[in-house]
Amino acid sequence: AQKITQTQPGMFVQEKEAVTLDCTYDTSDQSYGLFWYKQPSSGEMIFLIYQGSYDEQNATEGRYSLNFQKARKSANLVISASQLGDSAMYFCAMRGDYGQNFVFGPGTRLSVLP
Amino acid sequence: GAGVSQSPSNKVTEKGKDVELRCDPISGHTALYWYRQRLGQGLEFLIYFQGNSAPDKSGLPSDRFSAERTGESVSTLTIQRTQQEDSAVYLCASSLVWTGRDYGYTFGSGTRLTVV
Repeated sequence: AQKITQTQPGMFVQEKEAVTLDCTYDTSDQSYGLFWYKQPSSGEMIFLIYQGSYDEQNATEGRYSLNFQKARKSANLVISASQLGDSAMYFCAMRGDYGQNFVFGPGTRLSVLP
Repeated sequence: GAGVSQSPSNKVTEKGKDVELRCDPISGHTALYWYRQRLGQGLEFLIYFQGNSAPDKSGLPSDRFSAERTGESVSTLTIQRTQQEDSAVYLCASSLVWTGRDYGYTFGSGTRLTVV
């Protein structure tokens, strides 16, 4: 069974500063994918970034980067230069081999302060 | 279509009535997921379809919940004898089969179900 843990129910960050959102996972699969999604107050789920378990380099997408530490089973999201529009819920998720159940963590609510 | 389409976007129903929610995935996406999201909470997995394989129903909370999908087309989630605790946003997502490089699932806008 797969499980995602996000230990920060809420986070605050000052505009233009960087913030790290924690995610740890548990799986017995050898091959898996890790994802981060953003959910603003409008409710839509917005894909941010993906990390494959065999990717040697940390994924980056613009201001988003994923700090992947496989041995520690962690996949933290780093947002650089925070913007007010980054205020939202952030969900970490994973999927095991061959498109099995796509499991989400409980989420972290990020608030960016002006 | 270009995205995942869900209908209706909002549904208010009386307790005890049956409801049917629809998800139209992106054309060619073989995998389809249903999730439930209660207010202020995370996504709760309900059911997963992959092509013509038997669906993974392990997340359905009770036998009042069922879902169907014919091939790689539209899916319907049915809730019978609705209860107030069924009030939530029901999200559908679709994706291609895992290919080793994946850019995530595409979610629909959800159906907000309110049971009164």
